[in-house]
Amino acid sequence: EVQVVESGGAVVQPGGSLRLSCAASGFSFDDYTMHWVRQTAGAGLEWVSLISWDGAVSSYAGSVRGRFTISRDNSKNSLYLDMNSLRIEDSGFYYCVKDRQFGFASGYSHPMDVWGQGTTVTVSS
Amino acid sequence: DIEVTQSPSSLSASRGDRVTITCRTSQSIGSDLNWYQQKPGKAPNLLIYGASNLQSGVPSRFSGSGSRTEFTLIITSLQPEDVATYYCQYSDNTLITFGQGTRLEIK
Repeated sequence: EVQVVESGGAVVQPGGSLRLSCAASGFSFDDYTMHWVRQTAGAGLEWVSLISWDGAVSSYAGSVRGRFTISRDNSKNSLYLDMNSLRIEDSGFYYCVKDRQFGFASGYSHPMDVWGQGTTVTVSS
Repeated sequence: DIEVTQSPSSLSASRGDRVTITCRTSQSIGSDLNWYQQKPGKAPNLLIYGASNLQSGVPSRFSGSGSRTEFTLIITSLQPEDVATYYCQYSDNTLITFGQGTRLEIK
């Protein structure tokens, strides 16, 4: 079964740090771009970051650029999101998501075909 | 930056109705638009990719059309299990944006 499972969500104070992890299985992890997408309570979806299959290309939403770092370990079929200088508005449900497209192309629309169940990040004093 | 406007923000329709949801972008994006369904309490699910391609396992009552700046998601015969929020999504190089979402309810 193709699946991704997130972990690492927690309650953290403003200004704090957190690392989210995602374990992938059932597909060739090192062939696909991976994403983090978040959703705040009662709100819509916000794309956070992507990383290409080989880790050579990464991209971030403006709201997290300079504070969050995406990485992957293909030997462990794992994706990570290091979150620093956390703000209250970073609170939400974080999804690990697989890109549908094999490989990577910057001009591609990046449809996302496998979503985890998410992990909750709460930034509160 | 490319802006997207998804409409309507919510709608209510009857079982068997044809439902249309639209996304408009401020610049042409060719056919590079995708649609998702998110049922309450669940993760999103990819419905349509590349504007009009049906993702495997998605019922054929769902279809997508459009190009350049205007795109449409159509449900030809609304079913109770289609109650969900629907999102469009596009990529501007490596920056990805979701539409604001359309909440669909059954009358």
